[in-house]
Amino acid sequence: DAGVIQSPRHEVTEMGQEVTLRCKPISGHNSLFWYRQTMMRGLELLIYFNNNVPIDDSGMPEDRFSAKMPNASFSTLKIQPSEPRDSAVYFCASTAGAGNTEAFFGQGTRLTVV
Amino acid sequence: GENVEQHPSTLSVQEGDSAVIKCTYSDSASNYFPWYKQELGKRPQLIIDIRSNVGEKKDQRIAVTLNKTAKHFSLHITETQPEDSAVYFCAAPGEYNFNKFYFGSGTKLNVKP
Repeated sequence: DAGVIQSPRHEVTEMGQEVTLRCKPISGHNSLFWYRQTMMRGLELLIYFNNNVPIDDSGMPEDRFSAKMPNASFSTLKIQPSEPRDSAVYFCASTAGAGNTEAFFGQGTRLTVV
Repeated sequence: GENVEQHPSTLSVQEGDSAVIKCTYSDSASNYFPWYKQELGKRPQLIIDIRSNVGEKKDQRIAVTLNKTAKHFSLHITETQPEDSAVYFCAAPGEYNFNKFYFGSGTKLNVKP
């Protein structure tokens, strides 16, 4: 397996534009997580899915953020409209099985909103 | 939710010395404690983890200790090497079975050659 795959790797967009980040988890993994990493706030959990169902989105900062997981192999994180303070590295991670196990992270998407 | 505190935020050691990073957590139900290493510009990757049924786990130069009573766990790196330089994160789950991890704020380890 190629691991967790995120796209794009880098995104530069203008304030007010819509941004969509994509993630393909490891095949067979049933939990998927979106994290945001900044120098100031570290690694923040935004939302996580279990068996494609959003379990907890309490970390989503504002209504401008939304996430979907239409099937077991694909998830999106959308920001609309984007703002400069959304600039960060966004990681997707997936884990296998119930119970606590290793989280495999994607390479991340570095988002810059100008 | 779980509150995970990690310290120190930065740690500088001489090559060959040991490094210790500590974390505390708040949820007494937490039972799985992983440590991740993140090299500059790369993704976090698991280096070692421990479950609550043991007090210590070792993997070559890396060890993790857990004190459930005090609700703290530590990462120990012995005989440090320059390639150990990275940011290290501890994590603890907020809910059993759902892998909702709360990460510590990270420790930037610098190993000086």
